Amino acid sequence: DSGVTQTPKHLITATGQRVTLRCSPRSGDLSVYWYQQSLDQGLQFLIQYYNGEERAKGNILERFSAQQFPDLHSELNLSSLELGDSALYFCASSVVPGRGQETQYFGPGTRLLVL
Amino acid sequence: QKEVEQDPGPLSVPEGAIVSLNCTYSNSAFQYFMWYRQYSRKGPELLMYTYSSGNKEDGRFTAQVDKSSKYISLFIRDSQPSDSATYLCAMSQVGAGSYQLTFGKGTKLSVIP
Repeated sequence: DSGVTQTPKHLITATGQRVTLRCSPRSGDLSVYWYQQSLDQGLQFLIQYYNGEERAKGNILERFSAQQFPDLHSELNLSSLELGDSALYFCASSVVPGRGQETQYFGPGTRLLVL
Repeated sequence: QKEVEQDPGPLSVPEGAIVSLNCTYSNSAFQYFMWYRQYSRKGPELLMYTYSSGNKEDGRFTAQVDKSSKYISLFIRDSQPSDSATYLCAMSQVGAGSYQLTFGKGTKLSVIP
């Protein structure tokens, strides 16, 4: 158990809908990363938040957004869902970036199926 | 050309064999190199972490980084059926305080008893 929690574990929804994925980082970790894992693209970085502020953006679609709250949990919002958005979504938390070695600990993921 | 290339396998070996997994990359700015293990339907679990070039050993696992060749390897000695999983290489560079990871697609390993 990495200490990172994600809810829900599974999500089934229809095209055009909007969903929210939730992540609670390990106690004390200020940084949260979101990744998408699909069969054809592998694991891809979406976005990072550090202590409530957006720190870096990757291949995140405009239909997707995220935020990190004062209690450091993070939510990833996916809207206008398409079939191709079906994937595993992981969040990872890490110790404070910039202090030498930084390792990311992954949650169990949310499996999203868009029908 | 993808930034990180990794042979997807599958790779099947008998129990007790030495396993060699590797990745190549194109971005010379990568400084941190990791190997993650992912069991089916689970999140990736960090196995090894190496900074810059060199070797690192942890029990049955050895990670090697050759920055001049842009090539990293993971060796598993005395492989066990419990090692059956997908192994992902990952790398990062420091940029504006972000250590976002770039992953290979993963190699699926089966260790046969």
